[in-house]
Amino acid sequence: GAGVSQTPSNKVTEKGKYVELRCDPISGHTALYWYRQSLGQGPEFLIYFQGTGAADDSGLPNDRFFAVRPEGSVSTLKIQRTERGDSAVYLCASSLSGTRSYNEQFFGPGTRLTVL
Amino acid sequence: GQQLNQSPQSMFIQEGEDVSMNCTSSSIFNTWLWYKQDPGEGPVLLIALYKAGELTSNGRLTAQFGITRKDSFLNISASIPSDVGIYFCAGRTSGTYKYIFGTGTRLKVLA
Repeated sequence: GAGVSQTPSNKVTEKGKYVELRCDPISGHTALYWYRQSLGQGPEFLIYFQGTGAADDSGLPNDRFFAVRPEGSVSTLKIQRTERGDSAVYLCASSLSGTRSYNEQFFGPGTRLTVL
Repeated sequence: GQQLNQSPQSMFIQEGEDVSMNCTSSSIFNTWLWYKQDPGEGPVLLIALYKAGELTSNGRLTAQFGITRKDSFLNISASIPSDVGIYFCAGRTSGTYKYIFGTGTRLKVLA
């Protein structure tokens, strides 16, 4: 079956611009996560959706970052007024449910964002 | 953000050798996951562990859930060149949804 997909695979933008990153989770997965991975680091949690609602957005670095999942499937991570420090790989993951005991997260290939 | 401590940070080994790496936490976890990440790709799930003391294998890979519930171990037997990559652990506490990832172990296999 299809795994988690993310588009675009690469995004180059200029400082101050607005970007949208898209994630299409595995069909039937109600939980969706966004992570950010800087060079040489492990993924760092940004936001978690259970269904349509953001259950935990405590990892978003500031109010320039926002994410939506209006129909409980596809999610979009939005970054306003991008800064060079936002450059990273943005990873999306999904799982059957967020808090169940047997809960494995599956990742997409990521979007590499470069802010010039 | 918080990251788990993985050891070693990197290692060079000869093809055919066995590899061991570990991950430690200051918190008690009820789930451990091990991932492998190749350059330009997302992490791929290798093994999931759900019970303290559990030993689970996936081909040449074996992972263990530490009995203290604060650590986990991954072993790769008879390494091959395609084992090259970065291995990440991730842990989660009971009743939560958030996984915390390790800093990664970079493995390079010399043919």
